Amino acid sequence: GESVGLHLPTLSVQEGDNSIINCAYSNSASDYFIWYKQESGKGPQFIIDIRSNMDKRQGQRVTVLLNKTVKHLSLQIAATQPGDSAVYFCAENANTGGFKTIFGAGTRLFVKA
Amino acid sequence: GAVVSQHPSWVICKSGTSVKIECRSLDFQATTMFWYRQFPKQSLMLMATSNEGSKATYEQGVEKDKFLINHASLTLSTLTVTSAHPEDSSFYICSAGMTSGRFEQYFGPGTRLTVT
Repeated sequence: GESVGLHLPTLSVQEGDNSIINCAYSNSASDYFIWYKQESGKGPQFIIDIRSNMDKRQGQRVTVLLNKTVKHLSLQIAATQPGDSAVYFCAENANTGGFKTIFGAGTRLFVKA
Repeated sequence: GAVVSQHPSWVICKSGTSVKIECRSLDFQATTMFWYRQFPKQSLMLMATSNEGSKATYEQGVEKDKFLINHASLTLSTLTVTSAHPEDSSFYICSAGMTSGRFEQYFGPGTRLTVT
C-alpha cells in the first residue's frame, strides 16, 4: 500500500549544528505535508507544514523542502539545541474523503551537548 | 492554538475489562476526530475517523466491535476498548480537526493504556 517512509531511523548531531531529517512519500495524491515532533509520552506537536504547490517553507529555525519529482520531503533544523531531541515524523494528507493524516516511520534525533 | 485534551492520561486495567478514553476539543468545534494507536518505538497508526453524529470509519484491520467510537458532539469523542487484552496495551492518541478555509488538525496528549 502507499505509505510515507523515512531514510534514517536515528540521527545524532552536535549541539549547534544543523540537522536534516528526510522522508519519502509514495502517494502522488497527497497535497499537504506536515512535520511533527514527539517527545516521550506526549502527543505529536506540529512543527511546520507545506502544501504541494510550494517547494520550500521556512519557520523559526526550521525549513521544510518538498521535491514532488522524487516524492521527497525534508526537515532542516538550524542550530540544533538539546531541546530538539525527540522523534520527528513526517505526515501526509490527501484531500480525498476525509483529510486522513498518515504518519511516516519517524526519526529519533539525538542532540549531543 | 487550539487545544485538545484526553482523559485519562494513563490507565491500568485488568484483562477482560473495558476502558473508555475521552477526547475533547476545548476551544473549538471539531467536525472530525481521529483515533491513533502507537506502540513503543513505532509510528502513529490511524485506527478510525469519526464525524459528529455519524458512525466512525475504521481503517483496515481495526475491529470496530472491539474499539467502539462515539462522537456525540462537536467537542467530544470517546474510544472504548472492549474486553481489553495485554496486546491492546498501547499509547492512544486522538486528534480533532476543523475546516476553516483549510483543514486544521490538533493532537491530544495521548492516553497510556496498560492491560494486565
